[in-house]
Amino acid sequence: ETGVTQSPTHLIKTRGQQVTLRCSSQSGHNTVSWYQQALGQGPQFIFQYYREEENGRGNFPPRFSGLQFPNYSSELNVNALELDDSALYLCASSWASGTVRNEQFFGPGTRLTVL
Amino acid sequence: GESVGLHLPTLSVQEGDNSIINCAYSNSASDYFIWYKQESGKGPQFIIDIRSNMDKRQGQRVTVLLNKTVKHLSLQIAATQPGDSAVYFCAESSRGQAGTALIFGKGTTLSVSS
Repeated sequence: ETGVTQSPTHLIKTRGQQVTLRCSSQSGHNTVSWYQQALGQGPQFIFQYYREEENGRGNFPPRFSGLQFPNYSSELNVNALELDDSALYLCASSWASGTVRNEQFFGPGTRLTVL
Repeated sequence: GESVGLHLPTLSVQEGDNSIINCAYSNSASDYFIWYKQESGKGPQFIIDIRSNMDKRQGQRVTVLLNKTVKHLSLQIAATQPGDSAVYFCAESSRGQAGTALIFGKGTTLSVSS
């Protein structure tokens, strides 16, 4: 186990609704990244938070937003849900210092189904 | 052992064989690479990483090879076991890329039969 936890495990929403997913990073880590993984595909980078600031963003619309808290835990919010948002949402935590990159450890994910 | 020269979506091996999983990456500026193992219903599990100043790195039963000339990465698993059955992804990142975003390749499903 990585020490990265996510909640909830599963979630069912309907189109147009809003959802908040949560992630607790591994102890000692200061960076959280969020990924979307569609069925049968590799994870796709949504955005990353470093010391409570967004530190990079992938090709996702503004209705995907996030937060990082002082204890380095994080939330992913998705507004106006669409059917294509159905996926496994993964959170990964890591320790970053300057430009040094280190391994990212993933949580178990939240399975979101949009009906 | 069985190896593949190009990326294939699936690889089937016998228990005890050596497995080689290949990955081609796209960004010549990528300088950090990670292999992940993902079992059904779980998040990706870190296996091994390598930086671009190296061409080989070994872990427990696993070896990663990096060929920057042809932008190719491979994962070798020695004495493959049924518990190694999973989807394997390579991931790359580069300086200047959004934060420390990982870009994932197409996965390879490894099936180990006993």
